[in-house]
Amino acid sequence: AQSVTQPDIHITVSEGASLELRCNYSYGATPYLFWYVQSPGQGLQLLLKYFSGDTLVQGIKGFEAEFKRSQSSFNLRKPSVHWSDAAEYFCAVGATGTASKLTFGTGTRLQVTL
Amino acid sequence: GAVVSQHPSRVICKSGTSVKIECRSLDFQATTMFWYRQFPKQSLMLMATSNEGSKATYEQGVEKDKFLINHASLTLSTLTVTSAHPEDSSFYICSARSYIDGYTFGSGTRLTVV
Repeated sequence: AQSVTQPDIHITVSEGASLELRCNYSYGATPYLFWYVQSPGQGLQLLLKYFSGDTLVQGIKGFEAEFKRSQSSFNLRKPSVHWSDAAEYFCAVGATGTASKLTFGTGTRLQVTL
Repeated sequence: GAVVSQHPSRVICKSGTSVKIECRSLDFQATTMFWYRQFPKQSLMLMATSNEGSKATYEQGVEKDKFLINHASLTLSTLTVTSAHPEDSSFYICSARSYIDGYTFGSGTRLTVV
């Protein structure tokens, strides 16, 4: 069974500082990996995804993530955080096939101080 | 990109009544849609996988008779919460699989049962 671990429940960074959110996954084959962001009371917005190819993936809003198979990780990074980045971030893993479900991590709440 | 529309965004109903939530893929066909439930400050828990033209596949522990799912067309899936009780109050989110973005999410429905 697939699973995702986000070890950090809550992270606080200063505006302008760099950010790294951790994500570790467990899956028997090559996974599909995703990072989503959720603002309070809203749905999920896709930041970026990894299906195959280049292990460094660029996303929207200046985010990037690197797939490291040896570490079973897919950490999300941003070089300079903006106050508007404060939200809940979810890492998710899925399998191939249109009927494959996503499994989510528990989420990391990002707080940005001015 | 792919767009999923979910309605209503908020609904308040009396205990014992039924509520229907709609999930539509606006610019693509979705043979498979997913329904999630999210408790406050928690992650998304998959309730069921909705398959066009066939019965939904429910996750373990989800009551099939309480959460009725219908996927009558390639662009519409509905979740009906039957005989709702206060403990069914939650945030419900649908998702559809697209070849463009992977998984696209609706904006969610806040259900409050009073």
